[in-house]
Amino acid sequence: QQPVQSPQAVILREGEDAVINCSSSKALYSVHWYRQKHGEAPIFLMILLKGGEQKGHDKISASFNEKKQQSSLYLTASQLSYSGTYFCGTEVSGGYQKVTFGTGTKLQVIP
Amino acid sequence: KAGVTQTPRYLIKTRGQQVTLSCSPISGHRSVSWYQQTPGQGLQFLFEYFSETQRNKGNFPGRFSGRQFSNSRSEMNVSTLELGDSALYLCASGPGQGRGFFETQYFGPGTRLLVL
Repeated sequence: QQPVQSPQAVILREGEDAVINCSSSKALYSVHWYRQKHGEAPIFLMILLKGGEQKGHDKISASFNEKKQQSSLYLTASQLSYSGTYFCGTEVSGGYQKVTFGTGTKLQVIP
Repeated sequence: KAGVTQTPRYLIKTRGQQVTLSCSPISGHRSVSWYQQTPGQGLQFLFEYFSETQRNKGNFPGRFSGRQFSNSRSEMNVSTLELGDSALYLCASGPGQGRGFFETQYFGPGTRLLVL
């Protein structure tokens, strides 16, 4: 089952913060986040494993709540370069090497 | 290190034809996964190969098949093309040692297939 991402689209001004959510109806083993710019391949951002960990680099971080089967991606002090479509990919517990991606969240950062 | 390469980058075919797409993973990577990306369905998992064996398969009809060679290069074949097969086909490579998608996957630029 495809994870549900919200919001579907968001427009930010430079410096503003955003949160993108990813929810699954199944127990998750891992969640990963990718960003894809128009006409380019998806770029890996981070992987979170069950255990409720939080990760981050630069001003992008993510959390994973395995009890709620949810992950959230946090973008703080957004920059123009953050624009793109963000995908979460989920791997369910017991589903070896099978990743299901959400439909994406289109993020646009404007000056 | 060179990245993941995919050939061809663009392809136009007609309904009923078949097509073969190629993916060369990053040197040392043994896992290759294939995805179909369309505006309506997003990224959908096709299959994953590791050491020439298909380890996992998505929910696509049997017209979609793949294989992996001993040098880890992979090909994907679609037979009897349908209009709905028009999409961006992405492959991703990874070391393949970790459980599932535990490790970072690196995507290639994709092959854009248009079926007329």
